[in-house]
Amino acid sequence: EVVLTQSPGTLSLSPGERATLSCRASQSVTSSYLAWYQQKPGQAPRLLIYGASSRATGIPDRFSGSGSGTDFTLTISRLEPEDFAVYYCQQYGSSPWTFGQGTKVEIK
Amino acid sequence: QVQLVQSGAEVKKPGASVKVSCKASGYTFTGYYMHWVRQAPGQGLEWMGGINPNTGGTNYGQKFQGRVTMTRDTSISTAYMELSRLRSDDTAVYYCARETGIAPADIWGQGTMVTVSS
Repeated sequence: EVVLTQSPGTLSLSPGERATLSCRASQSVTSSYLAWYQQKPGQAPRLLIYGASSRATGIPDRFSGSGSGTDFTLTISRLEPEDFAVYYCQQYGSSPWTFGQGTKVEIK
Repeated sequence: QVQLVQSGAEVKKPGASVKVSCKASGYTFTGYYMHWVRQAPGQGLEWMGGINPNTGGTNYGQKFQGRVTMTRDTSISTAYMELSRLRSDDTAVYYCARETGIAPADIWGQGTMVTVSS
C-alpha cells in the first residue's frame, strides 16, 4: 500500500502568514489522485483539494495544491482564523485508500 | 441539500457486533460509491472499505477482511457498515463518505461514535 508521510507534524503560525504543508508518498501516486482535507475538533473532514490541485466546491482560493509523483504540497496563502485545524493528505489512486498522519496548523 | 446522516452512538462489549447506518439525501443514492472511514480518539483517518450502491459490490481493506460487511438498501437510500468481533481498539468515530468518481470523499456523514468496553 502507499504510505503517506506529512511534514511538519505541527506548524505554528500567525493569522495572515503563509502555510506550506508537505505530503510525501512511498511510491508514485497514480494519476495524481491526491487529496487534502481539513478537520476541526468534533467535525468530519472537509475536502479541500482533489487531483492534487483542483479545489473542491466552495473552497476559497487561498487554498492551493501542487505536486506530482511522490511529492505534494498544500499552500494556504494567508491564514484566516478559521484555517487553524488539522490537515490530512490522502491518495485514492490505488486500493487501499491511505491517509497521511496529519499536520496541525496552530496559532502562534 | 446533499447530505449523509448517520445513526447514533453505540456502546458495545468486546466480541459483539455493531451496525452503523448512513442515510443519503439530496442526490441519486445509486449513482455514487460510498466509503467508510474510521478515526480512533486522537488519531488519524483509516479507510475501511466501500460499496457500490448500484450493484452492491464491495471492496474491503485487508485489515478488516472477515470482520466487516457493507450493505445497502436502495429503497431507503441507506448504506450500512457492520463490524463484528469487536475489540477495544475498534473504539472510534465511524464515517461514511461519498465518492463522485472525480473527487474522492466530497460529502461526509457526521460520524458515529462506537465505544467498545467491558
